[in-house]
Amino acid sequence: QSALTQPRSVSGSPGQSVTISCTGTSSDVGGYNYVSWYQQHPGKAPKLMIYDVSKRPSGVPDRFSGSKSGNTASLTISGLQAEDEADYYCCSYAGSSPYVFGTGTKVTVL
Amino acid sequence: QVQLVQSGAEVKKPGSSVKVSCKASGGTFSSYAISWVRQAPGQGLEWMGGIIPIFGTANYAQKFQGRVTITADESTSTAYMELSSLRSEDTAVYYCACAPIAAAGGSENWFDPWGQGTLVTVSS
Repeated sequence: QSALTQPRSVSGSPGQSVTISCTGTSSDVGGYNYVSWYQQHPGKAPKLMIYDVSKRPSGVPDRFSGSKSGNTASLTISGLQAEDEADYYCCSYAGSSPYVFGTGTKVTVL
Repeated sequence: QVQLVQSGAEVKKPGSSVKVSCKASGGTFSSYAISWVRQAPGQGLEWMGGIIPIFGTANYAQKFQGRVTITADESTSTAYMELSSLRSEDTAVYYCACAPIAAAGGSENWFDPWGQGTLVTVSS
């Protein structure tokens, strides 16, 4: 099972919006509505930000949103803040495999 | 809310095995599945396998089949991950992570919360 493809890095100024893509195949992202997103600050454990493509856990700011179209899922951060600077990983259920993570994206707040 | 606390850092020789523990508190252990995810230095996350303690059966990523064993002890609310035939490429931080058991069976397909991570260094 190959890792899902994410851009290596994205950046934006405070208050702007950034979108991170996560591209897989019909065997993972495209086949199930089970994409989740994780935020990881340096030296820390990952934190769940989005699950089941677009659901937000309690306590996660509503400026984080998720969507999916075909084999590509996306995470959008609206109103970018300094504390959003971190690495972000997508993850998809993949049936028999059964989980595959993305390659990771570094978000930089300019 | 369940919390996961993992065992401490390990240094191992190539060819040996390592066993990492993950103790759950603040929740009902039998309500969760536990997965193990590793992260090599400067690299991304990699799912290794998982277990639903009340069912007792584990499933593993194909890459680790035959080399990893995941178990759980309900009496102590602790899950374990043992990796054998260690090589330098296994140097990584190993995380355990929870997923609630789904009403329809199996587990939810996301991981929350995560343990603090355990650094395993493989070096001669």
